[in-house]
Formats: sequence, structure tokens, C-alpha cells
Amino acid sequence: SQELEQSPQSLIVQEGKNLTINCTSSKTLYGLYWYKQKYGEGLIFLMMLQKGGEEKSHEKITAKLDEKKQQSSLHITASQPSHAGIYLCGASRADRGSTLGRLYFGRGTQLTVWP
Amino acid sequence: GAGVSQSPRYKVAKRGQDVALRCDPISGHVSLFWYQQALGQGPEFLTYFQNEAQLDKSGLPSDRFFAERPEGSVSTLKIQRTQQEDSAVYLCASRDQETQYFGPGTRLLVL
Repeated sequence: SQELEQSPQSLIVQEGKNLTINCTSSKTLYGLYWYKQKYGEGLIFLMMLQKGGEEKSHEKITAKLDEKKQQSSLHITASQPSHAGIYLCGASRADRGSTLGRLYFGRGTQLTVWP
Repeated sequence: GAGVSQSPRYKVAKRGQDVALRCDPISGHVSLFWYQQALGQGPEFLTYFQNEAQLDKSGLPSDRFFAERPEGSVSTLKIQRTQQEDSAVYLCASRDQETQYFGPGTRLLVL
């Protein structure tokens, strides 16, 4: 079962446009991870957020975690064809009994960037 | 340094065959995870090792699935009597303090 909801499921944007992908959980999270996946490849780590209200940036990608630690957004500025792929959010949970480090993933957002 | 490696990258099996998938984690990583990713889905947790101890196997879908990590480094995921529904990408990840690093996966197709 998918414990995280990602939206949109797919996104097609023109090169140079900005875009946002959202990830929502019904439960408070311990940590929120963003990964990128290309077809036939594994997951490439992008960023990890742990504190409510935290924001991190790497090159043209910015990720934020809300104060309640239940929603995160990934924002890409001035998209390029190299940004194309599947973006996955994964979360570790704070509740007792949950295996430390075990990640629950959303279904992913398929991003296409056309020139 | 080297990342997580997995072999084989692709495996085609006839229904009923046994398969073994190998994972080489990043050197020194104590924690190792296996996930299963069906087409169009996010990865789903299978099992977790801390060193050689399998601390959580709650995600293994049936008793046909078995995982081991006898010396606390390399891990093997074995699937006995494969079924068509086992077709998926099997991902291995190892973890440092906070971050899980994934291997390229083994794409299993059961005919």
C-alpha cells in the first residue's frame, strides 16, 4: 500500500518552466526523502528533510517540509531536459514499532521536459 | 567510493524456477534494506538487516521469499518457485546515519 500521496502523477513542461511536485502523508513523519529515478536505474538521492519548516536547495531544485511534517513540495526552477525522470518521495515514520529507516514511498511523479 | 551494486541486472525466469538476487552494499554500512517495485508503483519494503541480523521481514509477500546476510555485508534475496506476480524490480539499499542509497536494481521477469 502507498502511504504517501504524490501529485501530480505526471507532468509535462516546456524547458525553462518552473514546476512543483507535492507529497502528502496522513501521519506525522520522522524524515522525508526525495529521490529521482530514470527507467532501468535505481533511485538517486536528492534531499532529506527532517525538521518542520525545513527547506533545502541543490542547484535548481528546492524541497520544503511543512511545520506539521506531513507535507513536502519539490520545486524545480527553469527546468531542463536533464530533469526528466520519475520523482519519488519516501518517508520514515515516527511511530513506535516502525523499523528505523524503513521508507514508505509514493507512486512517483513522471516528469517530461520538452525542448 | 563505490555505491550499492546489484546482480544480475536483468533476470528472466520460467514460472516455478528459483532465483537468487545479490546485493553488495556500500562498505561499512550496517543497515541494508530490500524493496520490491512493481511497474508504475513506488518501492515497497520487503526486509531489513542490521549487520547479519534480519530484524524485520514483515514485507516479504510469502514464504517463497527468503533473504540472508550471513557475514553482515553481501546480501542475497532468494525467491523459490517463482510466479508471474513476482515480476518486478528488486532494489537493495544501504544506509549511513540518515540516508538510504539505492542500487540499480534487478529487473525480474517471470514467464
